[in-house]
Amino acid sequence: QSALTQPASVSGSPGQSITISCTGTSSDVGSYNLVSWYQQHPGKVPKLMIYEGSKRPSGVSNRFSGSKSGNTASLTISGLQAEDEADYYCCSYEGSSSVIFGGGTKLTVL
Amino acid sequence: QVQLVQSGAEVKKPGSSVKVSCKASGGTFNTYGISWVRQAPGQGLEWMGRIIPILDIANYAQKFQGRVTITADTSTSTAYMELSSLRSQDTAVYYCARDLLSGAVIKYFDDWGQGTLVTVSS
Repeated sequence: QSALTQPASVSGSPGQSITISCTGTSSDVGSYNLVSWYQQHPGKVPKLMIYEGSKRPSGVSNRFSGSKSGNTASLTISGLQAEDEADYYCCSYEGSSSVIFGGGTKLTVL
Repeated sequence: QVQLVQSGAEVKKPGSSVKVSCKASGGTFNTYGISWVRQAPGQGLEWMGRIIPILDIANYAQKFQGRVTITADTSTSTAYMELSSLRSQDTAVYYCARDLLSGAVIKYFDDWGQGTLVTVSS
């Protein structure tokens, strides 16, 4: 199974909004509402930002939101801040007690 | 809040095996699954497999079938990941990550270990 497809990089200026896409197939993203998103700063542990497609864990800013359409999930960050600069990974359940990650997207805040 | 504490860095020879541990504190070990996720230098996250400790049932990503073994000791709330026939491409940071049990389904990972660097070099 190949990784979910994410853009290698996205960028935006402080205060702007950006969206990171995560494209899978009808066997993973399209079949389950179980996409999660993780933020990873350099040298740090991944942090859960969105789960079950659009839910935010306690403590995560409401500037982060998630959605899905067909086989593509999306993470939107509004009101970009310098501390949002990080790598972002999507992850989807794909059945048979397995998950698959996206290749990751490097977000640069200009 | 559950804390996952992993064993220290390892340096291994090609062809050998490595076993990494992940000890949980806080929460109830039997109410969640433990997955192992690795990250090669400069690369993305890769899911390797998962165990449900209370059932002692493990399943693995196809890529690692036959080469990885995930086990758990409920008496010490510790999960283990053993990877055999190591090659240089296995050099990576290995993370354990917790998911709240929802049957066989893995919904998301809400707690992660600090990571263990495994270096494979002759």
